[in-house]
Amino acid sequence: KQEVTQIPAALSVPEGENLVLNCSFTDSAIYNLQWFRQDPGKGLTSLLLIQSSQREQTSGRLNASLDKSSGRSTLYIAASQPGDSATYPCWGYQKVTFGTGTKLQVIP
Amino acid sequence: KAGVTQTPRYLIKTRGQQVTLSCSPISGHRSVSWYQQTPGQGLQFLFEYFSETQRNKGNFPGRFSGRQFSNSRSEMNVSTLELGDSALYLCASSSGSGTHQRQYFGPGTRLTVT
Repeated sequence: KQEVTQIPAALSVPEGENLVLNCSFTDSAIYNLQWFRQDPGKGLTSLLLIQSSQREQTSGRLNASLDKSSGRSTLYIAASQPGDSATYPCWGYQKVTFGTGTKLQVIP
Repeated sequence: KAGVTQTPRYLIKTRGQQVTLSCSPISGHRSVSWYQQTPGQGLQFLFEYFSETQRNKGNFPGRFSGRQFSNSRSEMNVSTLELGDSALYLCASSSGSGTHQRQYFGPGTRLTVT
């Protein structure tokens, strides 16, 4: 059974810091990996999708990497802003599994 | 393009009743997936439909069922509701099935079972 773990579960940082969110999965037979953002009481917004043949994706201040051999994906957020405050779940496809998410708070 | 729409947005039902939720994918998308989100369990995958066929299924009891129509719209049905079924039900659509497909989520239907 695929299990996805996200560390840390919660993170509070001052504005402007660079930060790293981690997603670990137990089954390396993962086709692709997505990072999402969820605001309280709302649906999910896809941030980055890394396909199985890729190692990383970048969008603006966000960079996500995927290392299938170690079963790990990392989301890097540069120069964090208060508007980045949300929960960030990762999602693996093949045995569809969501991580529990990292709840991020960026303090002005 | 309009996004993924879900109806109704909020629903209150009584234990033992059944409920049907609807999801309209982004135009042109043929895959629809359903998820349950609760504070205790987080996001859990229910099932995925592609071209009217169920392609993937999570670990939920048979009370949870779904279907997809020829226009790709999907419905999810929960029979004999239990208090623990109270949750936010999200659907997501993608243009294809399986690998390398980006998922686009709807706003969700919040179901409360009393």
